[in-house]
Amino acid sequence: EVQLVESGGGLVQPGGSLRLSCAASGFTFSSYWMHWVRQAPGKGLVWVSRINSDGSSTSYADSVKGRFTISRDNAKNTLYLQMNSLRAEDTAVYYCARVLYSSDAFDIWGQGTMVTVSS
Amino acid sequence: DIQMTQSPSSLSASVGDRVTITCRASQSISSYLNWYQQKPGKAPKLLIYAASLQSGVPSRFSGSGSGTDFTLTISSLQPEDFATYCCQQSYSTPYTFGQGTKLEIK
Repeated sequence: EVQLVESGGGLVQPGGSLRLSCAASGFTFSSYWMHWVRQAPGKGLVWVSRINSDGSSTSYADSVKGRFTISRDNAKNTLYLQMNSLRAEDTAVYYCARVLYSSDAFDIWGQGTMVTVSS
Repeated sequence: DIQMTQSPSSLSASVGDRVTITCRASQSISSYLNWYQQKPGKAPKLLIYAASLQSGVPSRFSGSGSGTDFTLTISSLQPEDFATYCCQQSYSTPYTFGQGTKLEIK
């Protein structure tokens, strides 16, 4: 079964750090570009970051640029999001998502992991 | 950034109804428009990508449009279709989403 499973969320104080993980299974992880998308409570979806299949190219939303780092370990079939200098407005469910070839649509999503930034 | 505007923001309909949701991009995005369905507490599910039906999605769902104006049509609403629907452009980063359309039972 094709699956993405996120972990690493939790409660963190403003200015703190967290690292999210996304474990992939059921497909050739190293062949796919991957993204992170977040959703604040009661709000819409917001794209956060993307990484190409071999990890050599990344892109970020302006709101997280310089604070978040996306990376991957293809040997471990795992995607990461290192989040530093966290702010209250980063509070959200974070989803990892696989990109469908040629369309850049997100065809497989994880179940999400909640990040709460609060003192 | 490309802005995506959906309408309506909410919609009440009955089982069996035909429903259309529209999405407008602030600039041309060719056919790089995707539609997702999301139910409370769940991850989004891809329905339509570039006007093509995603594998496993019922044929009552269809998408059309190119350039700046797009529509999602559900030909005959089923009970499991009551959810929030969201468009997304994958033409250029930052990939942006519409604000969502909540489809409720009348």
